[in-house]
Amino acid sequence: EADIYQTPRYLVIGTGKKITLECSQTMGHDKMYWYQQDPGMELHLIHYSYGVNSTEKGDLSSESTVSRIRTEHFPLTLESARPSHTSQYLCASSDRGQSSGNTIYFGEGSWLTVV
Amino acid sequence: GIQVEQSPPDLILQEGANSTLRCNFSDSVNNLQWFHQNPWGQLINLFYIPSGTKQNGRLSATTVATERYSLLYISSSQTTDSGVYFCAVTPPYNFNKFYFGSGTKLNVKP
Repeated sequence: EADIYQTPRYLVIGTGKKITLECSQTMGHDKMYWYQQDPGMELHLIHYSYGVNSTEKGDLSSESTVSRIRTEHFPLTLESARPSHTSQYLCASSDRGQSSGNTIYFGEGSWLTVV
Repeated sequence: GIQVEQSPPDLILQEGANSTLRCNFSDSVNNLQWFHQNPWGQLINLFYIPSGTKQNGRLSATTVATERYSLLYISSSQTTDSGVYFCAVTPPYNFNKFYFGSGTKLNVKP
């Protein structure tokens, strides 16, 4: 299966704290994504990257920011956490090209609770 | 963008029963994937199936691209099959853009 890793898996933090969710993949994929999902609900794309130094906002407005300095690493940062940020955050990556099917793979997710 | 609709939204089965989940999409696609999200939130790839039929153990999937739908079959269901099943597609004009359905929540009772 996929080699994509997220840390921390579970986190409880206080309002106003800064938090960075880490995501790394070892598959050499150019494309990486962050989705936000409430339990059992739809996935919402909040950020994506098509390669190093490329980042874009997704469909769902988010107060988070991302960076892509290395191919394998795509961290997401919340500068000032709020209770409305409580959710699961899923990192994903996809392979290149139509010939290989452009399959998307997901990490195990990071559950964030802001109190 | 592409509209992706999954049905039924909720499904309750007795262990051992069979079921069919459906994914309809509104435009041509060059990629279709099925996922199972387990109770811990992880999305597991089940099938990459832009067309045709594939089988993996008790699970099989069929995509009829010309009619814009895909079906996921679960046979002899087990409690470990519980969770949410999602389908995702990408259009040929932007195969980096994934459109997800809203999922089918499956509860298999012992």
